[in-house]
Amino acid sequence: GEDVEQSLFLSVREGDSSVINCTYTDSSSTYLYWYKQEPGAGLQLLTYIFSNMDMKQDQRLTVLLNKKDKHLSLRIADTQTGDSAIYFCAENGAGGSYIPTFGRGTSLIVHP
Amino acid sequence: DVKVTQSSRYLVKRTGEKVFLECVQDMDHENMFWYRQDPGLGLRLIYFSYDVKMKEKGDIPEGYSVSREKKERFSLILESASTNQTSMYLCASIKLAGVEQFFGPGTRLTVL
Repeated sequence: GEDVEQSLFLSVREGDSSVINCTYTDSSSTYLYWYKQEPGAGLQLLTYIFSNMDMKQDQRLTVLLNKKDKHLSLRIADTQTGDSAIYFCAENGAGGSYIPTFGRGTSLIVHP
Repeated sequence: DVKVTQSSRYLVKRTGEKVFLECVQDMDHENMFWYRQDPGLGLRLIYFSYDVKMKEKGDIPEGYSVSREKKERFSLILESASTNQTSMYLCASIKLAGVEQFFGPGTRLTVL
């Protein structure tokens, strides 16, 4: 079945870049997503990328997609303490269905 | 401002009680979802609904049921709460052929 894998923790210093990695198995995904969950809150869509794109940039965020290796990454430039959160990678399900499959989430801890 | 609301942020119930978790969205979305979130396990889909009175089992439906009598409202029911159902419950919705899931703030349920 579909699977999305990501590491559970990442710790960085304020001002450094953060890179969160994700691998997925479903090659028919149409969209790949990064959701952010701040403490005590639900998930919010941070960014997404179409499967026919290699890269997407949005201010401090850069998403890279390697379809051949089924690898997705999220780079946050100039990481701030406010970026501390859980980041979920997701893909939109087998055969392009609207039901996403989520990874387990990466807890990003930003040290001053 | 689009919104998914959940009836309670925190709930404490006793083993064996019947528990209702309510979710309302104001975006006229067709599809609604209930997830539970546990540390290290990420989001697991309990049930989803693609239309009024329609429901489909997700990955972990055992011990839960759902009700969707109106388009905007999706209820999760724990028929007889057990301690292993202590968790964070997240509701989400997405429009038909939509890209982004919108999440509620979550209900943290403790079963004693």
